[in-house]
Amino acid sequence: GAGVSQSPSNKVTEKGKDVELRCDPISGHTALYWYRQSLGQGLEFLIYFQGNSAPDKSGLPSDRFSAERTGGSVSTLTIQRTQQEDSAVYLCASSFSGEDSPLHFGNGTRLTVT
Amino acid sequence: AQSVTQLDSQVPVFEEAPVELRCNYSSSVSVYLFWYVQYPNQGLQLLLKYLSGSTLVKGINGFEAEFNKSQTSFHLRKPSVHISDTAEYFCAVTYTGRRALTFGSGTRLQVQP
Repeated sequence: GAGVSQSPSNKVTEKGKDVELRCDPISGHTALYWYRQSLGQGLEFLIYFQGNSAPDKSGLPSDRFSAERTGGSVSTLTIQRTQQEDSAVYLCASSFSGEDSPLHFGNGTRLTVT
Repeated sequence: AQSVTQLDSQVPVFEEAPVELRCNYSSSVSVYLFWYVQYPNQGLQLLLKYLSGSTLVKGINGFEAEFNKSQTSFHLRKPSVHISDTAEYFCAVTYTGRRALTFGSGTRLQVQP
């Protein structure tokens, strides 16, 4: 079956521009996560959606970052006024509800801010 | 705050040799522990997980990990590695009531012929 789909796979943008990254989770998965992977830094948690509950935004690094999930499915991560330090691979993952449910990751969006 | 430490950023090993990738976590409450693997140019996938019960957990591709509560460790092991095991390995932890996984910084396993 289809896995987690992310688009675009690569994005190059100029400093100061806004970008939108999209994630299509696996059908039926109620939980959706965004992580950021920087070189040599592991995965940094950004935000978590679970069903209709208020999202856990505790990992968003600044107010330039926001995310929404429409209809409990597709999610969009928006970065406003991008900075060079925002360059990273942005990973989306989805899972069934439950703390023991494994995450299924997309291949990520590689963002380069010039 | 919860944290995961993977002390070894890179582990070079010869083919057919045993390997151990170390993972320590900080938490005083019940935890769930995971190892994920990222092969070159691929997304992360689950290798194995510890939820409860037996402290020795077996995963895919011959890997296993042992949960040690007193040492707050969850080291990953394989008795004989293959070239195809070359990848980045991430340890992750979550605890009851907190859904988001906290990941370690990763260990790059490089298997040499």
